[in-house]
Amino acid sequence: SAVISQKPSRDICQRGTSLTIQCQVDSQVTMMFWYRQQPGQSLTLIATANQGSEATYESGFVIDKFPISRPNLTFSTLTVSNMSPEDSSIYLCSVGGLALIAGNEQFFGPGTRLTVL
Amino acid sequence: AQRVTQPEKLLSVFKGAPVELKCNYSYSGSPELFWYVQYSRQRLQLLLRHISRESIKGFTADLNKGETSFHLKKPFAQEEDSAMYYCAPPTGNQFYFGTGTSLTVIP
Repeated sequence: SAVISQKPSRDICQRGTSLTIQCQVDSQVTMMFWYRQQPGQSLTLIATANQGSEATYESGFVIDKFPISRPNLTFSTLTVSNMSPEDSSIYLCSVGGLALIAGNEQFFGPGTRLTVL
Repeated sequence: AQRVTQPEKLLSVFKGAPVELKCNYSYSGSPELFWYVQYSRQRLQLLLRHISRESIKGFTADLNKGETSFHLKKPFAQEEDSAMYYCAPPTGNQFYFGTGTSLTVIP
């Protein structure tokens, strides 16, 4: 398995500002993903963070709004830019494709609870 | 894209009653499917994977290729089973969770 941490765990931000969320894994992983989970809703994949190249974004999400970095195999950041109250959500980091894990499951971070006023 | 469907958003059962959370998949080939669970105030975690044919916390899930289903079952629900359950295909370039089913076990 993998131990995943996220910072911050929660934040309250003002409209128009930006927040960068960090995701750290204790082992090298092939795939890192960023999800959004709005209250009472399922997970929505924002993007796949690719090491050494631009992230791959899902429909409805764009790089200008959610820039992602993946400088190495254990770390990624997601920035929520020019925030509005509609961005209030839980943002989850997950990893998959662990070298030592035969299965194809994902492991999740604890999430970052964002509230935009 | 490999997609799964969970038709029930909410499900309530009484303690001790059987529970079945439905999941259907819509792609061909040999699917590899998973059930994830999210308990209140805890992170999302893997519950079980079909390939290992295991039973975790009394839950089992059988892949039915004829019905393209992977329903999660437990013969006797417990209060601690109350959680959000997600059916999901394996990690890949296109990875989409089911919409999730919120299970409430009534004491």
